[in-house]
Amino acid sequence: ETGVTQTPRHLVMGMTNKKSLKCEQHLGHNAMYWYKQSAKKPLELMFVYNFKEQTENNSVPSRFSPECPNSSHLFLHLHTLQPEDSALYLCASSPGLAGIADTQYFGPGTRLTVL
Amino acid sequence: KNQVEQSPQSLIILEGKNCTLQCNYTVSPFSNLRWYKQDTGRGPVSLTIMTFSENTKSNGRYTATLDADTKQSSLHITASQLSDSASYICVVISSGGYNKLIFGAGTRLAVHP
Repeated sequence: ETGVTQTPRHLVMGMTNKKSLKCEQHLGHNAMYWYKQSAKKPLELMFVYNFKEQTENNSVPSRFSPECPNSSHLFLHLHTLQPEDSALYLCASSPGLAGIADTQYFGPGTRLTVL
Repeated sequence: KNQVEQSPQSLIILEGKNCTLQCNYTVSPFSNLRWYKQDTGRGPVSLTIMTFSENTKSNGRYTATLDADTKQSSLHITASQLSDSASYICVVISSGGYNKLIFGAGTRLAVHP
């Protein structure tokens, strides 16, 4: 339940704002992920970090900027977002031994609304 | 094109009844298939993981089946409870020297008293 935490849980921002989402995992994992979940659409994998190195960036617009200072923390910096970026942003972690094929443990998500 | 299709999109059943959710995939090469449960306001939680050689795997009242020949999987829920109300997501992992996750859009299940 508390293995992966995300803050804030809800965020409303204007298109000109700069904000950051934070994720922290307490599972001793080495891989962390950012996902975007829009209504009635499949989860979209955005970024993957393995042992603090970014190993995947799925053509995500540059207005989303990830940061992984250590294996336990992951940030998603947001700036000049668009209304269509409104979604649930999920963070996940996994042991890191099998890459993205590992079982992933998800946080509760941040519900982002861009006005 | 790698795709995962889930059906139905949504389902309403009465408490105590059984139900089956479907997942069809066109993913190659196939590594394994997972079912996740996502409660409202929560992140997904893994229910089952099935590899190519496994036909059935159970987790309590949840039983997943896999037919690798027809590329179909199902998740059967027995004696449903109100707490089963959630979205159920099918995920296929493709491995071809580079692992890739392909997610279905999910089935939204509502269990009514």
